[in-house]
Amino acid sequence: GEDVEQSLFLSVREGDSSVINCTYTDSSSTYLYWYKQEPGAGLQLLTYIFSNMDMKQDQRLTVLLNKKDKHLSLRIADTQTGDSAIYFCAANGFQKLVFGTGTRLLVSP
Amino acid sequence: NAGVTQTPKFRILKIGQSMTLQCTQDMNHNYMYWYRQDPGMGLKLIYYSVGAGITDKGEVPNGYNVSRSTTEDFPLRLELAAPSQTSVYFCASSYVGEGKGYTFGSGTRLTVV
Repeated sequence: GEDVEQSLFLSVREGDSSVINCTYTDSSSTYLYWYKQEPGAGLQLLTYIFSNMDMKQDQRLTVLLNKKDKHLSLRIADTQTGDSAIYFCAANGFQKLVFGTGTRLLVSP
Repeated sequence: NAGVTQTPKFRILKIGQSMTLQCTQDMNHNYMYWYRQDPGMGLKLIYYSVGAGITDKGEVPNGYNVSRSTTEDFPLRLELAAPSQTSVYFCASSYVGEGKGYTFGSGTRLTVV
């Protein structure tokens, strides 16, 4: 079945760019997602990309997809302290999404 | 539009007690899911349902039961609670299982002592 992996931790300074990486195993995944979880809250869908796209931009967020390497990344431009959260990558498996372990982003002033 | 509503938000159970975690959605989503999230860990799928009357096991179903008698409701039952079930539980729903992503509830924090 699908397996999704992420690095556990990323620390950046306010105003820098953040890049969170994810790899997945099932090349038939048609959609890939990024979710954000703030402390004490549920997961919120940030953005998603269809598998026939290489890039998607949404304001400060840029998603890059390398289908050959099965690699997905989320770039946050001009990172703010409010971006501190856990970011989950997810890929669709049969009837359900498979989530990575999450990357904890810490933004320092 | 409330989305996905989970109750209770917090609960402390004694070992061996039982409880039901409630989840309801008002978006007419056909797919619903239960996940648990342990500290520093990702999400583990417990059970899911692709429609009323249909449920299936996820990665970690032992110690839990579910039912789906209506489109809106997907309760999770814990029988004989154990300390290993201390976790945060999230319910989620989606329309067709992929494409639009999931809508998550705000979670139930359960402690078993």
